[in-house]
Amino acid sequence: EPEVTQTPSHQVTQMGQEVILRCVPISNHLYFYWYRQILGQKVEFLVSFYNNEISEKSEIFDDQFSVERPDGSNFTLKIRSTKLEDSAMYFCASRLGGSTDTQYFGPGTRLTVL
Amino acid sequence: GESVGLHLPTLSVQEGDNSIINCAYSNSASDYFIWYKQESGKGPQFIIDIRSNMDKRQGQRVTVLLNKTVKHLSLQIAATQPGDSAVYFCAERGRYNQGGKLIFGQGTELSVKP
Repeated sequence: EPEVTQTPSHQVTQMGQEVILRCVPISNHLYFYWYRQILGQKVEFLVSFYNNEISEKSEIFDDQFSVERPDGSNFTLKIRSTKLEDSAMYFCASRLGGSTDTQYFGPGTRLTVL
Repeated sequence: GESVGLHLPTLSVQEGDNSIINCAYSNSASDYFIWYKQESGKGPQFIIDIRSNMDKRQGQRVTVLLNKTVKHLSLQIAATQPGDSAVYFCAERGRYNQGGKLIFGQGTELSVKP
């Protein structure tokens, strides 16, 4: 069964460093998302992406964040200068589109900012 | 503002019993609701979804009920098994949200005693 994959599973970085989190959505899906989950809290929406552009972004998704679909399979989230409060699980999700609403999530990347 | 919340943070049931997990939402304009299961260290896993034009939807051992009058959503798990132990999140999508952003509730931790 097709699934969303994410790499790395765990990323440790120093405050102020740039990180890139990678996702491979399900191959025929058209909508892509990033969410994050701070330990013990609910899942929070960051950004949605469709047709090579951002559809919507949350207040969390400030100028330090960017997303890119560099080729036909990858979807990346970049944090330019990480802060301690960026430490969280980051989940990528994808959706087929059309009348299909279900978003399928990847296993997540645990980002630890020291 | 928009919010999706859960009535109980934890639920403990005996193996074989039925489980009911509740969720309250505040956005009457939401047209799509979804339940996810999240096991420790993993991403949210789709369980079942329902559109606002339905009151009930059944899957394998799971049933979702939607009461739009009181803006309440519930997940029923029949014959609960130890493998059902996880955190369960409800999520909603606004009717006019073309990008498909999901708003998650806080989560209920289900613990199944053998």
